[in-house]
This record gives sequence, C-alpha cells and structure tokens, in this order.
Amino acid sequence: GAGVSQSPSNKVTEKGKDVELRCDPISGHTALYWYRQSLGQGLEFLIYFQGNSAPDKSGLPSDRFSAERTGGSVSTLTIQRTQQEDSAVYLCASSPINYEQYFGPGTRLTVT
Amino acid sequence: AQSVTQLDSHVSVSEGTPVLLRCNYSSSYSPSLFWYVQHPNKGLQLLLKYTSAATLVKGINGFEAEFKKSETSFHLTKPSAHMSDAAEYFCVVSPPGQQGGKLIFGQGTELSVKP
Repeated sequence: GAGVSQSPSNKVTEKGKDVELRCDPISGHTALYWYRQSLGQGLEFLIYFQGNSAPDKSGLPSDRFSAERTGGSVSTLTIQRTQQEDSAVYLCASSPINYEQYFGPGTRLTVT
Repeated sequence: AQSVTQLDSHVSVSEGTPVLLRCNYSSSYSPSLFWYVQHPNKGLQLLLKYTSAATLVKGINGFEAEFKKSETSFHLTKPSAHMSDAAEYFCVVSPPGQQGGKLIFGQGTELSVKP
C-alpha cells in the first residue's frame, strides 16, 4: 500500500518567511511524528501526535515551530519567520500504536 | 535520560567481508532498541528491533544485532557485506513506558563497501 508521503519534497525560502510542510501518514496509523535531520544536530525528535491525546511537543526548538494534525490524519508543520539554522530535512513518520515507525522521504528546507 | 552512542562515524569494508557497526546505549530501564538504515536520498527503513524478547535479533537483508545488557551494547553485524549495503545506519532507542513514543537517534555510521 501507499507509504508516508510528504510535500513539498524541496522548499527554498527567504529568511523571515513562513513555511508549511505537509505529511500524509499511512491510512489507519494512529500515531504521527515529526523529526528534523541536519548536519550539525543529526536526527532530532520534534513532535508526536497519538490519537486524540495532547501532542508531545517537547522537541520543538522554539515557539516559531508549531504543528497540527487535522482529523487524526494529515499533519502540517509550520515554521514562522524562518532562520538559516532551520535549514534541514524534515521527516515525518507514522505508526500503528506500539509498532515501528514508518518514515516518509522528507522535505528538504533551505533558508536563504 | 536515554541516549545512544554510535562509536564510529564511518566504517569501510570490502565486499564479502563482515560488517560490525557499534552502538552503546544509556538507559535506566530496559529500553526498546532499533537499527534503521538510510540510503542516499531515500527514507529511513527499519532493519531490526529489540523489545526484551530474544537478545539476538535478526533483521532484513542478513543483518542481526545482539542486545548485551552487561555491556549496554547493541552492535549491528552482517557476515558478508554487499555493495548495496552502503548507506548510513542509525542506532535508535525508544524510552520505556512510552509506547509508540519518540525515537532518540544516534549520530549515525556511514558504511562504505569497496569492491
């Protein structure tokens, strides 16, 4: 079946602009995760949604970062007033509860 | 706090020779441990996972890992490397008590395979 999809695959934006990154999880997966992969920091957890529970936002690096998950399915990660240090690959993953996470191909964000 | 340390940032082997990628974990409790692989410009793929059942875990593509509590290690091995194994490998821990929760990644080990 279809895997996790993310859009756009690449995004170039100017410093100070807002960006939205989208994740479509595997149908039926109750959990959704966002991670960031950058050269300096490796792979970092950002935020985790599980069903109707309050999300675990403990990995968000600043209040410029936020995420929503509408209807228990699609998620959007928003970065406001982007900075150059936000340049990274943003990865989304989904899982059935208690099972391994399936990753999408990522969105490469470049802030110029 | 839970963490993983991958002891080598880069490993180079010849095709047909054994592969050893080293990982040590730090955890107050018995964690869930994983190895993921990332091929260039591809998404992360789960190789294998340890969740307190058998200590020797077999994964896809001939890889296996052994959980050694006394050494706090979870090294990844393969008897014979193939060119297609060239990729980046991540040792990952999932803190206990967080069913389906966040993953904590090691810094990664880049595996090169020479013909």
